[in-house]
Amino acid sequence: KAGVTQTPRYLIKTRGQQVTLSCSPISGHRSVSWYQQTPGQGLQFLFEYFSETQRNKGNFPGRFSGRQFSNSRSEMNVSTLELGDSALYLCASSFRGRANTGELFFGEGSRLTVL
Amino acid sequence: GDSVTQMEGPVTLSEEAFLTINCTYTATGYPSLFWYVQYPGEGLQLLLKATKADDKGSNKGFEATYRKETTSFHLEKGSVQVSDSAVYFCALILSGGSQGNLIFGKGTKLSVKP
Repeated sequence: KAGVTQTPRYLIKTRGQQVTLSCSPISGHRSVSWYQQTPGQGLQFLFEYFSETQRNKGNFPGRFSGRQFSNSRSEMNVSTLELGDSALYLCASSFRGRANTGELFFGEGSRLTVL
Repeated sequence: GDSVTQMEGPVTLSEEAFLTINCTYTATGYPSLFWYVQYPGEGLQLLLKATKADDKGSNKGFEATYRKETTSFHLEKGSVQVSDSAVYFCALILSGGSQGNLIFGKGTKLSVKP
């Protein structure tokens, strides 16, 4: 069974640009969550999607957005990039039943460097 | 708000040493507790979990007990191996509520020397 796949793995952008990251969840998983990982702040929750609907959102500015497609694949977008957006962006999927069990399957991440 | 506090690393041990990584939490409801592990260059993997007080989660020789009275979920292993070198994250999630995301600690880096 294929794991969570994130693309691209590495990318470099300059301030002011925008970026789109992609995540393909494990087959059959309908929930996709995104986290930002930085040395200073650790892992911070961005948002969660389930059946194409955003179910939960973390405390990030509106420059961070996402969406989920009918096949459960998800994308996140960051517009007007700032230096502080440099981070590892992790996607995680889960088979969400009646309640979120917290058992997430993470991809290897997309490492974004903003110059 | 809800939060998780882990002991700061890095932790450096010799092979076969005993490991303890402390984790305490603050939660408004009744959380489930988790330990995730991140090996170099990889994403996080669930190591173990406990869903209610006094539950013991265990996997790959690691174990942790959900202690409600001390709001703790310390990770232990009796004999570490070089392959255990990784970053360990303690996390919680509030069960059954609208809050559907994991809250992570800052992580503790473990290095095991041969």
